Amino acid sequence: DSGVTQTPKHLITATGQRVTLRCSPRSGDLSVYWYQQSLDQGLQFLIQYYNGEERAKGNILERFSAQQFPDLHSELNLSSLELGDSALYFCASSVTVWETQYFGPGTRLLVL
Amino acid sequence: EDKVVQSPLSLVVHEGDTVTLNCSYEVTNFRSLLWYKQEKKAPTFLFMLTSSGIEKKSGRLSSILDKKELSSILNITATQTGDSAIYLCAGAENAGNMLTFGGGTRLMVKP
Repeated sequence: DSGVTQTPKHLITATGQRVTLRCSPRSGDLSVYWYQQSLDQGLQFLIQYYNGEERAKGNILERFSAQQFPDLHSELNLSSLELGDSALYFCASSVTVWETQYFGPGTRLLVL
Repeated sequence: EDKVVQSPLSLVVHEGDTVTLNCSYEVTNFRSLLWYKQEKKAPTFLFMLTSSGIEKKSGRLSSILDKKELSSILNITATQTGDSAIYLCAGAENAGNMLTFGGGTRLMVKP
């Protein structure tokens, strides 16, 4: 158990819908990262926040957005969902920007 | 674009065997190379290698970073069935700690 928590564990929804994934970092960690893992693309970086501010962006679709709140938890919002968005979404956290990232258990999203 | 490539794609060995997993990276402004083990769900951290720490060891696992060849290896000695997993290698860049992952090596250890 890394200490990073994610909810929900599983999510089944329909195309066109919007969902919110939640992440609580390890105690004391200021940086939060979101990754998407699909069978064809592997594990891909989406976005990073540090102490409430966006720090880096990867190949995140415009339909996706994220934020980190004052209590340091983060949410990833996925809208206008498509079948291809079905994947495992991981959150990771680290103490600062350059330290080791520890991964949460992930949220498995299935878009039907 | 940053790129990390792992080989082999998959490996089947018997308990007690020694395995070597390979990782090559092209990461702009490279800072460190990380290894993770992924079983059912979340990747769990194994090692981080930087220019100031190019060899790490923990029990039966060890890893070396070759900064000249832009590569790393992960060795597992005396393998056990519990080592069966996907092993992921990732390169971290300097600016924001974004990780670029390789496709992973799927290791199966048979009793």
